[in-house]
Amino acid sequence: DAKTTQPTSMDCAEGRAANLPCNHSTISGNEYVYWYRQIHSQGPQYIIHGLKNNETNEMASLIITEDRKSSTLILPHATLRDTAVYYCIAQGGNFGNEKLTFGTGTRLTIIP
Amino acid sequence: GAVVSQHPSWVICKSGTSVKIECRSLDFQATTMFWYRQFPKQSLMLMATSNEGSKATYEQGVEKDKFLINHASLTLSTLTVTSAHPEDSSFYICSAQGGLAGGPYNEQFFGPGTRLTVL
Repeated sequence: DAKTTQPTSMDCAEGRAANLPCNHSTISGNEYVYWYRQIHSQGPQYIIHGLKNNETNEMASLIITEDRKSSTLILPHATLRDTAVYYCIAQGGNFGNEKLTFGTGTRLTIIP
Repeated sequence: GAVVSQHPSWVICKSGTSVKIECRSLDFQATTMFWYRQFPKQSLMLMATSNEGSKATYEQGVEKDKFLINHASLTLSTLTVTSAHPEDSSFYICSAQGGLAGGPYNEQFFGPGTRLTVL
């Protein structure tokens, strides 16, 4: 499993786009990038995942660099409810029964 | 998305007793369920992987005789903490995954967690 590196914490103003970076320089060709978030005292919530193409869903966008060594999760219009710890995970298989290894994540605080 | 429930949401027990935590996938069949533990201000640590109808696979350092996992059906897995001690106090979270890779409900869905406090 590729190791990921994320900033410990970030602040973002409410209504602005929150851009959360993740470095996964040792990612291998078959490893996907997954993003989850955990609001205090709750279970993690799936956000998005991708292999090499940029992905977008109703929650966020995922931008993966061409060399796949880093990615950015974008929350387009952050709200106070987006305050959470965001985990970037690089792991093999398209959720093919692969266990997820959580790092320390980025604590994102949305400022009113 | 798919819903995973856990019961109870919190439990307080005396040292030496056993506690059972249930994890259910409510609207899909989970071929694989995972159990995690999270201590305060720390990340989630995987304890074990459980496939329906077979024995769980435990991570290194997790005592299989202390943390009994049963995955008897495609919608239910249980974690029993036997002879609980204060150091077992933690937030226990399950996740469920079903279907084939790339198919619907393929991502892992997490339960809301169970907070265990052992006195």
